[in-house]
Amino acid sequence: ETGVTQSPTHLIKTRGQQVTLRCSSQSGHNTVSWYQQALGQGPQFIFQYYREEENGRGNFPPRFSGLQFPNYSSELNVNALELDDSALYLCASSLSRHEQYFGPGTRLTVT
Amino acid sequence: KQEVTQIPAALSVPEGENLVLNCSFTDSAIYNLQWFRQDPGKGLTSLLLIQSSQREQTSGRLNASLDKSSGRSTLYIAASQPGDSATYLCAVPSGNTPLVFGKGTRLSVIA
Repeated sequence: ETGVTQSPTHLIKTRGQQVTLRCSSQSGHNTVSWYQQALGQGPQFIFQYYREEENGRGNFPPRFSGLQFPNYSSELNVNALELDDSALYLCASSLSRHEQYFGPGTRLTVT
Repeated sequence: KQEVTQIPAALSVPEGENLVLNCSFTDSAIYNLQWFRQDPGKGLTSLLLIQSSQREQTSGRLNASLDKSSGRSTLYIAASQPGDSATYLCAVPSGNTPLVFGKGTRLSVIA
């Protein structure tokens, strides 16, 4: 059984640019959630996808958008990057509302 | 709005000591609670999931308890080891948010 994977591991972007982060869910899981974790803080919920539809969103602006594909993998897109977007981005997969399994994260630095 | 608080924010103990980490949440209408471990700059590892109908769960040297009515959970670590050094996070689901996290307790176990 393959766990949750994320790519890239880390990347550096310039303010104003756009970035795409990717997540492959654990085998058999149909739900993917994305979280942002600033240094020294707990993860904050961005949004969740269930069977390719967004079914929950946290307090993040529309420049944070996502997709879920038929194989349940997912992308997080962030437009017009700001310095405060620098964080660890975590993806988690689950079977609907069951236990969440997290990937290793993507460290994004915006300069 | 669900809020999760973890006390203490940081803890340093000598190897071999038993210790307790605390988690409280404001809305007791939860259906489960998860405890996670996070090593610096890494993703989250699920330690224990307690369903709302359960009072405790055990895994090796870890024991987590849940008191829904008082909005509290504790994570007990027996015979601590230097390898237990990490940040421990608790999280509960809330409405359309799959997990609301506390800020974590940063544990250091000194050899």
